[in-house]
Amino acid sequence: QSALTQPPSASGSPGQSVTISCTGTSSDVGGYNYVSWYQQHPGKAPKLMIYEVSKRPSGVPDRFSGSKSGNTASLTVSGLQAEDEADYYCSSYGGSNNFVVFGGGTKLTVL
Amino acid sequence: EVQLVESGGGLVQPGGSLRLSCAASGFTFSSYWMSWVRQAPGKGLEWVANIKQDGSEKYYVDSVKGRFTISRDNAKNSLYLQMNTLRAEDTAVYYCARGYSGYDNWGQGTLVTVSS
Repeated sequence: QSALTQPPSASGSPGQSVTISCTGTSSDVGGYNYVSWYQQHPGKAPKLMIYEVSKRPSGVPDRFSGSKSGNTASLTVSGLQAEDEADYYCSSYGGSNNFVVFGGGTKLTVL
Repeated sequence: EVQLVESGGGLVQPGGSLRLSCAASGFTFSSYWMSWVRQAPGKGLEWVANIKQDGSEKYYVDSVKGRFTISRDNAKNSLYLQMNTLRAEDTAVYYCARGYSGYDNWGQGTLVTVSS
């Protein structure tokens, strides 16, 4: 099972927007609308930020948004804040033989 | 408040076995798919296994098929992961997570170290 492809790092200044990509295949990202994004601070458990491509759980700021085009999903963080500095992981449903596949993670740095 | 509390991690020799538990509270456990996700030290997340609400469907990542078994006891609001024939590459923090393919609640994790 191959991981989804994410850039290892991304950065932006406070108040700016940054977009993190997540590239898969037609068997996972492109084939289903079950892409999720997680935020993980050092030493902490992951936190769900986006599910089903673009839906936000209650309590997640609307500065976080998700989208998908073809085999690539994206997470956009607008109005960057210092507390957004963390690792971000995408995941996708991949069918019954490859149920859930994660991306390798992107370290977001707020400059 | 939803709570997931893992236990059972520790140091085990290669080829050994370990059973992880996850105690769930604050929600109707029997209504949700449950999962195990692991994270090797300094590495990314890796889905390990999922189990349907009634235990009738179970799925595993290829690398643990035949060695790990996921199970649940809805009467005890508990999720389990029986890990046999452990390898060094199984060393990771193991998280219990609620959900099918998007996980809205996670435990704090339990560390499994496979080393001689």
